[in-house]
Amino acid sequence: GAVVSQHPSRVICKSGTSVKIECRSLDFQATTMFWYRQFPKQSLMLMATSNEGSKATYEQGVEKDKFLINHASLTLSTLTVTSAHPEDSSFYICSARGGGWDEQFFGPGTRLTVL
Amino acid sequence: QQQVKQSPQSLIVQKGGISIINCAYENTAFDYFPWYQQFPGKGPALLIAIRPDVSEKKEGRFTISFNKSAKQFSLHIMDSQPGDSATYFCAASKRNAGNMLTFGGGTRLMVKP
Repeated sequence: GAVVSQHPSRVICKSGTSVKIECRSLDFQATTMFWYRQFPKQSLMLMATSNEGSKATYEQGVEKDKFLINHASLTLSTLTVTSAHPEDSSFYICSARGGGWDEQFFGPGTRLTVL
Repeated sequence: QQQVKQSPQSLIVQKGGISIINCAYENTAFDYFPWYQQFPGKGPALLIAIRPDVSEKKEGRFTISFNKSAKQFSLHIMDSQPGDSATYFCAASKRNAGNMLTFGGGTRLMVKP
């Protein structure tokens, strides 16, 4: 099956620092990757959609200058949380979709804690 | 505007029983309806999915029932097991919109031994 990995799985940082999260599709080429945010006991909220080689499309209310997304290749997308603050603490999950597929395959998530 | 409404929010079922989770959607343009299973601290995993041209799809103990006219679909878990205890999310998407998923609010299922 299609496998998506995320790194790191858990990160703790100080307020004001930047954190980069990687999302990789291991056995398929991901033409589209999605980034979600999930608060405890809540559903997934789509933050942005990225297509390889083009700028990400952000959902309403998501600050593109704070959450930088780069989809540099067909197997890698990165989310950088810039100048992180405690309110950015959350579970960040990526998903990937291959060309022609309807299915999205999700990564294991990254738990970000900002002190 | 919540386009996919999921119920119940939580569900307790005895081992061997049937777990039923319901979802209703508003956008008739949706053409793909997956169900995801999520364990604590993990990403969602695709469980089963259906398209609107069929009314039912079964995979093992998991069945999706789809009612296009009512704009509703449901997940049935037969012979529920304690290992099925997780949070289940329904979702919907449309192909001509990049297959972006709209998620339901989730159902926390607990199967008691």
